Amino acid sequence: GAVVSQHPSRVICKSGTSVKIECRSLDFQATTMFWYRQFPKQSLMLMATSNEGSKATYEQGVEKDKFLINHASLTLSTLTVTSAHPEDSSFYICSSQKEGTDTQYFGPGTRLTVL
Amino acid sequence: DAKTTQPPSMDCAEGRAANLPCNHSTISGNEYVYWYRQIHSQGPQYIIHGLKNNETNEMASLIITEDRKSSTLILPHATLRDTAVYYCIVRADARGSQGNLIFGKGTKLSVKP
Repeated sequence: GAVVSQHPSRVICKSGTSVKIECRSLDFQATTMFWYRQFPKQSLMLMATSNEGSKATYEQGVEKDKFLINHASLTLSTLTVTSAHPEDSSFYICSSQKEGTDTQYFGPGTRLTVL
Repeated sequence: DAKTTQPPSMDCAEGRAANLPCNHSTISGNEYVYWYRQIHSQGPQYIIHGLKNNETNEMASLIITEDRKSSTLILPHATLRDTAVYYCIVRADARGSQGNLIFGKGTKLSVKP
């Protein structure tokens, strides 16, 4: 068990549009989900932490009005990149912390390209 | 900042054991050692974690020194599919929103035929 899915796996959009990425924990419940992004040849950087039913906590330098996070249930979190620009092009990865444990399981990632 | 130090790259022959070292000299008493790996263009995959005892699962073994200042991840019989970047991360026990994973640069392991 401990499978996390992301949708879509790849998205290309025009500058100025908004993109929604879904993260689901398929076979377990996750009270806490995390969103990371990874630029080419760099390591993962944490963007925000979200707990089910409450507002997300954003890392320093991450604009909360630009990266909207909704964690409406114990198995689903969404990240919306609003008014995307080319500099937002990146690999976005979510992780879910299995309820009752301290282990995070990662999704396969979403490659966002903004033209 | 990451609290661990890993060699940037290592090579291993297919079928041989891969031993990946990690230094974490400032680890605190309540911090675990976690290992993840990331195959190109995929999300990180959990491998193993431990506090002070050695651990083994179906993927790997984790050897932690007695002073807990360093550890070694062992892949007993490396295959070409084990080629990936391996991350060693220390993190406090966190059953809530604390204890985020901080990724360093990791070790790029190349398994060669």
